[in-house]
Amino acid sequence: SQTIHQWPATLVQPVGSPLSLECTVEGTSNPNLYWYRQAAGRGLQLLFYSVGIGQISSEVPQNLSASRPQDRQFILSSKKLLLSDSGFYLCAWSVSGQGDQPQHFGDGTRLSIL
Amino acid sequence: EDQVTQSPEALRLQEGESSSLNCSYTVSGLRGLFWYRQDPGKGPEFLFTLYSAGEEKEKERLKATLTKKESFLHITTPKPEDSATYLCAVQEGSSGTYKYIFGTGTRLKVLA
Repeated sequence: SQTIHQWPATLVQPVGSPLSLECTVEGTSNPNLYWYRQAAGRGLQLLFYSVGIGQISSEVPQNLSASRPQDRQFILSSKKLLLSDSGFYLCAWSVSGQGDQPQHFGDGTRLSIL
Repeated sequence: EDQVTQSPEALRLQEGESSSLNCSYTVSGLRGLFWYRQDPGKGPEFLFTLYSAGEEKEKERLKATLTKKESFLHITTPKPEDSATYLCAVQEGSSGTYKYIFGTGTRLKVLA
């Protein structure tokens, strides 16, 4: 069966510091991968998605970036965090090549910027 | 503009008191409608996929239905462990990309 792992679960960072959140998927090949941010009382905001190694699409212009160095690894990064980057970050995967499949989510990272 | 609206925002039920959650959507070409359950501090857990009007799916005390404009998640004789936020998402097919549009969810509290 497929599993998705995100870490860390919680992170407290000072303004201006760098960020690296990691997500890995097991039990499937060439998944579509996604990064979302969820703010309290608001829907999930799609940040990035990837349909293959090195292929990243950005949905929201901001100081975050994403990379996919391996087939089942997705990384969310920032060089300098802003206060507005606080939130709950979720990684998800879906079956590739089929556009009508559900996404499956990790347990998220709670990021607090001080 | 593609949109997903869920109502009510919050719902309190007594144990055993059945009710329904609504998800209305506006998309140019629906490829799928998805229901998720999210517990506090956790990622959404997939429940159902619905593809076409008239389709129904069931799982334990939950039943999801779909029309051309909305979906309902019916909760029959709920228990306290059904307390969670329920999210609805749609995937539209016209753009050729794999983007999902989420509603803001319904926070359900079932009281013992």
